[in-house]
Amino acid sequence: QKEVEQDPGPLSVPEGAIVSLNCTYSNSAFQYFMWYRQYSRKGPELLMYTYSSGNKEDGRFTAQVDKSSKYISLFIRDSQPSDSATYLCAMKYSLNAGKSTFGDGTTLTVKP
Amino acid sequence: ETGVTQTPRHLVMGMTNKKSLKCEQHLGHNAMYWYKQSAKKPLELMFVYSLEERVENNSVPSRFSPECPNSSHLFLHLHTLQPEDSALYLCASSQEGWVGGELFFGEGSRLTVL
Repeated sequence: QKEVEQDPGPLSVPEGAIVSLNCTYSNSAFQYFMWYRQYSRKGPELLMYTYSSGNKEDGRFTAQVDKSSKYISLFIRDSQPSDSATYLCAMKYSLNAGKSTFGDGTTLTVKP
Repeated sequence: ETGVTQTPRHLVMGMTNKKSLKCEQHLGHNAMYWYKQSAKKPLELMFVYSLEERVENNSVPSRFSPECPNSSHLFLHLHTLQPEDSALYLCASSQEGWVGGELFFGEGSRLTVL
C-alpha cells in the first residue's frame, strides 16, 4: 500500500467551478503538508504549505488538513483556465524537505 | 539567471551512450536533489546532497552517478541506460533546517533512451 494516495483524475471542470483535490495517507507521523502545482513542461512549484490540522487560505486556494482522518484537501474557488495543471500533494514528518513523500498527482483542466 | 536551471531540457540517447545532466541553483540553498518523474507514478527521490555531501541514495542503479562539486551545481552522469529509464529528471534545491524551507524545482530534463 502506498503511503500517500491521491485521487487520480483527470479532472475537467468549467471556468468558475469549485475544485476539490484530495489525498489520504497512512503514516500518522506526517506533520507537514504541501501542495505543489506543475504546469505542462515545467517543474513543480510550491502552492500551499500547512502544519497540523485545520484550514489555510491564500486567495482562491484553501488547504485543509484533517489529521484524525489522515486526509488533506485543496480547494480552488472560482477556477480559471490558468489553474489547468497537475497538482501534487506531498507530506513529511520532519523539517527536511528531502523527506517529502509525494502523491501521484491529479491533472486538472479548467475549460473556458 | 534565477531559481534552478537545468540543461539540457531534452536528451535522446542510445543505450551505450554516456551523457550528463546539469543543474545550477541561484538561491543560496544548502541542499540539492535529483528526482525522477515517470507517467502515473509519484516523484521518486534519487539523490540528496546536503552541504555538498551525499546523504542519501535510494537504491538507484549504478548507471546513474551524481556529482556535486559545490553547493550551487549538481550533475547526473548517465551511462548504459535502459529504455525504462526514459523519464523527466528534476533537480531541486532547498534550505534545510528551516520551517517552510521547501523544494524549488527546475524545469526538468526530458530523457528518452532508445
